[in-house]
Amino acid sequence: AQSVTQLGSHVSVSEGALVLLRCNYSSSVPPYLFWYVQYPNQGLQLLLKYTSAATLVKGINGFEAEFKKSETSFHLTKPSAHMSDAAEYFCAVTLYGQNFVFGPGTRLSVLP
Amino acid sequence: NAGVTQTPKFRILKIGQSMTLQCAQDMNHNYMYWYRQDPGMGLKLIYYSVGAGITDKGEVPNGYNVSRSTTEDFPLRLELAAPSQTSVYFCASNPRDRENSPLHFGNGTRLTVT
Repeated sequence: AQSVTQLGSHVSVSEGALVLLRCNYSSSVPPYLFWYVQYPNQGLQLLLKYTSAATLVKGINGFEAEFKKSETSFHLTKPSAHMSDAAEYFCAVTLYGQNFVFGPGTRLSVLP
Repeated sequence: NAGVTQTPKFRILKIGQSMTLQCAQDMNHNYMYWYRQDPGMGLKLIYYSVGAGITDKGEVPNGYNVSRSTTEDFPLRLELAAPSQTSVYFCASNPRDRENSPLHFGNGTRLTVT
């Protein structure tokens, strides 16, 4: 069975600082991986997805994630945080695209 | 293009009442899903459907029912509401045109059972 862990339920960074949100997965075979962002009172929006074409994936709003098979990780980064990045971020996995398993989420706060 | 539309946005139910959460998508996606979101727990799959007339249970189906009579609509029925069903409910759809097709989410229904 697949599972997803996200280290840190709440992460605070200063505006302009590096954002690092961690995601580790457990799966019998390499899964497809996704990052979603949820702004208050909204649904989840796709930030980026791993396609196996490249281990470094670029997404919207300057975010990127690197797939590391040896570490079973798919951490999300952004070089410089903006106030508008404050939201909740979810990592998700699927094996064959039918059922998705989500991590518990990490709430990102950006301090002025 | 509306995407995935959920109604209502908010609802308060008394214990034992019933209601139907509506979900409609206009993208002609075959796959549709219902998730519930509780604080610190991520999203848990309640039911899903791979096409009209076909539904299956997810991780937390107890207390819920679904139907899928058309490609567009996937309503979620709560019978005999309980406080444990207080949650935010999200409907999602997926074209499944490839294995890594992402989910498309609605804006959610916030349900409180008192």
